[in-house]
Amino acid sequence: EAGVAQSPRYKIIEKRQSVAFWCNPISGHATLYWYQQILGQGPKLLIQFQNNGVVDDSQLPKDRFSAERLKGVDSTLKIQPAKLEDSAVYLCASSLVTGGYTFGSGTRLTVV
Amino acid sequence: AQTVTQSQPEMSVQEAETVTLSCTYDTSESNYYLFWYKQPPSRQMILVIRQEAYKQQNATENRFSVNFQKAAKSFSLKISDSQLGDTAMYFCASSGGGADGLTFGKGTHLIIQP
Repeated sequence: EAGVAQSPRYKIIEKRQSVAFWCNPISGHATLYWYQQILGQGPKLLIQFQNNGVVDDSQLPKDRFSAERLKGVDSTLKIQPAKLEDSAVYLCASSLVTGGYTFGSGTRLTVV
Repeated sequence: AQTVTQSQPEMSVQEAETVTLSCTYDTSESNYYLFWYKQPPSRQMILVIRQEAYKQQNATENRFSVNFQKAAKSFSLKISDSQLGDTAMYFCASSGGGADGLTFGKGTHLIIQP
């Protein structure tokens, strides 16, 4: 089966610019997650979708970050405006069953 | 809320040796899962092993095994006959029941020396 697809692989932007990341989960996986992984740390959950509804966005900085999952399939994570501290790897994962997660290869964002 | 602590930022062993990575956790969930993930430079998180908290038997996957001490909230990973390809970041993680998101530790950088 195809894995979780993410694009772009790399992105460099200037602070105060906007950026968007795209994720295509494994077909049939109802649950989708976005994680932020700052260099030297473990991933931190930003937002979790169940189909196209938000289950948990308690750690999403809502003043600058937004995410949507149209039709319960693909998802987009947006940052506007970006700050230097947003430099990180953004990982998308999807899940079909309890305790089973599949990760994409992530997008490395550098804000200069 | 869940917390995961990995106290070894980096470890280095010789090829073919056995190495143990430590992890402690805290959770208020009665049913939960524990994981070890490997993250090579490609950045993709690769599942190494998974343990369901209600199962007392320690999980094993080929050269990888865990020592799950539920009362002590400890979940260590043992890698036997280590190989050069095992070099990577290793993350311990936990999740509650259902499709809860994962809570990760800070990771341990494992280096296998030839």
